[in-house]
Amino acid sequence: SQQGEEDPQALSIQEGENATMNCSYKTSINNLQWYRQNSGRGLVHLILIRSNEREKHSGRLRVTLDTSKKSSSLLITASRAADTASYFCATKAAGNKLTFGGGTRVLVKP
Amino acid sequence: DAGVIQSPRHEVTEMGQEVTLRCKPISGHNSLFWYRQTMMRGLELLIYFNNNVPIDDSGMPEDRFSAKMPNASFSTLKIQPSEPRDSAVYFCASSLIGSSGANVLTFGAGSRLTVL
Repeated sequence: SQQGEEDPQALSIQEGENATMNCSYKTSINNLQWYRQNSGRGLVHLILIRSNEREKHSGRLRVTLDTSKKSSSLLITASRAADTASYFCATKAAGNKLTFGGGTRVLVKP
Repeated sequence: DAGVIQSPRHEVTEMGQEVTLRCKPISGHNSLFWYRQTMMRGLELLIYFNNNVPIDDSGMPEDRFSAKMPNASFSTLKIQPSEPRDSAVYFCASSLIGSSGANVLTFGAGSRLTVL
């Protein structure tokens, strides 16, 4: 089974609205990362949050991490049509393996 | 840097044929990962190398799959013989793993394999 599971599986919003997606994982982690995948393309790294951090910002992205609940959230503020993509969380435990969740498909309607 | 380069981008083959996927990682990166993506199973890690040495191949589905990294700038993933259930997008990713322990992956565009 996958380490990270995203929720919801799909999200449809209007341009300008915020998009929030969640990731839950099962075991202790070293860090958690979020990636974006546009249709037919490879994944692109967005942001990394370490296990001793609770919140991190990068442009319109805000990531939170709650290690007691083994969960993370990704907030995209003021969404744009170009944000339409699938978003994946990835967890790194011991070693160098990154395990990806099933992803959240986000559709931003203009 | 041109990023992680994968070839071929698309391959259609018949069951039983040998398939070889190729990857050129980013220069200077010391780790390389092969993932497989399907609708049913999502992204699965097949194998990863560190300094050209295979570290963890526990994700390789069966003996029909093999991967090599003969030098720091080239890796192959081979499927012999191929089966329809191998149809998927295969991604190669590379990273520079340093003392911080962070492992940020740069992905290639993927190789879409269809086995008929």
